[in-house]
Amino acid sequence: AQSVTQLGSHVSVSEGALVLLRCNYSSSVPPYLFWYVQYPNQGLQLLLKYTTGATLVKGINGFEAEFKKSETSFHLTKPSAHMSDAAEYFCAVSDDRGQGGKLIFGQGTELSVKP
Amino acid sequence: DGGITQSPKYLFRKEGQNVTLSCEQNLNHDAMYWYRQDPGQGLRLIYYSQIVNDFQKGDIAEGYSVSREKKESFPLTVTSAQKNPTAFYLCASSGPSSNQPQHFGDGTRLSIL
Repeated sequence: AQSVTQLGSHVSVSEGALVLLRCNYSSSVPPYLFWYVQYPNQGLQLLLKYTTGATLVKGINGFEAEFKKSETSFHLTKPSAHMSDAAEYFCAVSDDRGQGGKLIFGQGTELSVKP
Repeated sequence: DGGITQSPKYLFRKEGQNVTLSCEQNLNHDAMYWYRQDPGQGLRLIYYSQIVNDFQKGDIAEGYSVSREKKESFPLTVTSAQKNPTAFYLCASSGPSSNQPQHFGDGTRLSIL
């Protein structure tokens, strides 16, 4: 069955440190992959997406992710964490049964940023 | 600006009562979705609709009902059969293709009185 695994339900970094949030997926077809961010009591906001083409994808707020087919991974990174990056992050993969925009979400990773 | 509007932001339900959560979008999207979010459990799909007058059950449809009479609207009813309705509910919409992201509303928090 299709799945998305986010390693680590909680990640803590110091301000200015590298942010690395891990995501692995399974899909029977070439996947479309997405990262979303959620601030408390708000909806999800799209950070970036991979559909086709360049495997290194740049998103908003200085985040980027690299699609590695051989590792079935789509890890999210940011070179220097800011306090405002504290939020929950969700990785998602498109449903592989051709059901339009339906997504399979990971369980989420809560990012804390220490001053 | 185009977007998704969920209302109300906060909702309280008495025991044995049905309540309806509103979701409206002006993005001209074909597909709409309802998710339930509980602490530590990510997003769980309740119902989705890919076209007007059609919808499918998601992973946790029991105790919920929906309708899709208009492209712009996808209301969710939490019925009295849903024994643990306290949660954060998110509505989303997307275009018809798999490479198009979902766009989310700001959510409705439902609590039991």
